[in-house]
Amino acid sequence: DIQMTQSPSSLSASVGGRVTITCRASQSISRYLNWYQHKPGKAPELLIYTASSLQSGVPSRFSGSGSGTVFTLTISSLQPEDFATYYCQQSYTTPRSFGQGTKLEIK
Amino acid sequence: QVQLQESGPGLVKPSQTLSLTCTVSGVSISSGSVYWSWLRQPAGKGLEWIGRVHSTGNSDHNPSLRSRVTISMETSKNQFSLNLNSVTAADTAIYYCAREGMIVGLYAIDNWGQGTLVTVSS
Repeated sequence: DIQMTQSPSSLSASVGGRVTITCRASQSISRYLNWYQHKPGKAPELLIYTASSLQSGVPSRFSGSGSGTVFTLTISSLQPEDFATYYCQQSYTTPRSFGQGTKLEIK
Repeated sequence: QVQLQESGPGLVKPSQTLSLTCTVSGVSISSGSVYWSWLRQPAGKGLEWIGRVHSTGNSDHNPSLRSRVTISMETSKNQFSLNLNSVTAADTAIYYCAREGMIVGLYAIDNWGQGTLVTVSS
């Protein structure tokens, strides 16, 4: 099975700031990497697929990069609605696997 | 617009079978090359992929759950279901149904239900 590891597990930032979350795969997954945003009590939402493609309707302040085993999610100009938990997920093979999540909190 | 809604008991006794149904609206579950999936999230923990059924009826599941999982489709009702047997307290979680669709040749989970809490307790 492919293990996905995110860092940091939590971080705090200010509105208007910029954050980067890193996701590492235990083996190469090419660009088969997706990012999700999850708010309490709501369904997770797909933000980015294939490492860097923005899902329809997602603001351009979200961006993704990487390939192989190391990937990043960057949120620039943080908005109040961005404070949530973010997960990476590999779709290279089954079983699908997720990172443990990064909780983004307001400073 | 695709919508998914989970339904089923919120409380299951240990050693019994957890059964959930996902009702899909806005698209036929038997059309396209799409996977209909189940995932879960125990309190305070991350997301775990349970398994999926393809629009053609083929299914696969997470080996970590051994052979406790069955995922099936009922196309006449546009529903798919999860059965998880021999449950323990470790199976207590929010359960999500979801669609894994193909986007530009690769798969991503692009539609989720709201989730339903299932507690395993006597």
